[in-house]
Amino acid sequence: QKEVEQNSGPLSVPEGAIASLNCTYSDRGSQSFFWYRQYSGKSPELIMSIYSNGDKEDGRFTAQLNKASQYVSLLIRDSQPSDSATYLCAVKAMVNTGFQKLVFGTGTRLLVSP
Amino acid sequence: DAGVTQSPTHLIKTRGQQVTLRCSPKSGHDTVSWYQQALGQGPQFIFQYYEEEERQRGNFPDRFSGHQYPNYSSELNVNALLLGDSALYLCASSLDETEAFFGQGTRLTVV
Repeated sequence: QKEVEQNSGPLSVPEGAIASLNCTYSDRGSQSFFWYRQYSGKSPELIMSIYSNGDKEDGRFTAQLNKASQYVSLLIRDSQPSDSATYLCAVKAMVNTGFQKLVFGTGTRLLVSP
Repeated sequence: DAGVTQSPTHLIKTRGQQVTLRCSPKSGHDTVSWYQQALGQGPQFIFQYYEEEERQRGNFPDRFSGHQYPNYSSELNVNALLLGDSALYLCASSLDETEAFFGQGTRLTVV
């Protein structure tokens, strides 16, 4: 089982719709969760972080966390063509030395059509 | 406020050669992590430096080594390059183990 799993997509939505991106993780002890956006050929850009169960909203973005189900999601409201990118879910996982490393999923490619 | 900067942005090397990639962290950040991202994959953790020490490393061979300087800048060295080392190499900085921010990456091509 992969540590962080995402559907690779592509997820296609029309402009103005809500895009829903999902991620599951295997380490039940994980406490920190992040969404990064990566445009083709560019580096990942942090767009959301979430640390406690529930929803966290920032502009058109809402991150949702359910630790009991080991599930984190990202909703993008009023999707725009400029939102077309790969969205990477990242989870901080504890390793045996007490250090936390950031583990990434393979990313979900989002396509927003005009 | 300068963000994370990496150099060079692109690099072409021949099999068997050695390469050094550089990273300057965001102002105020003391921790630097290096990742390798192959095409179509998520970034894979190589190692992390904090207080000039390698704090943890991922599943990468000893050909991959690094260094952190007193000003928190860091280098990634790869020896005996293989074709499979071709990837985007990403540096991320953070203040200890808080949110990590990435540089623009170095695209390494091994021919």
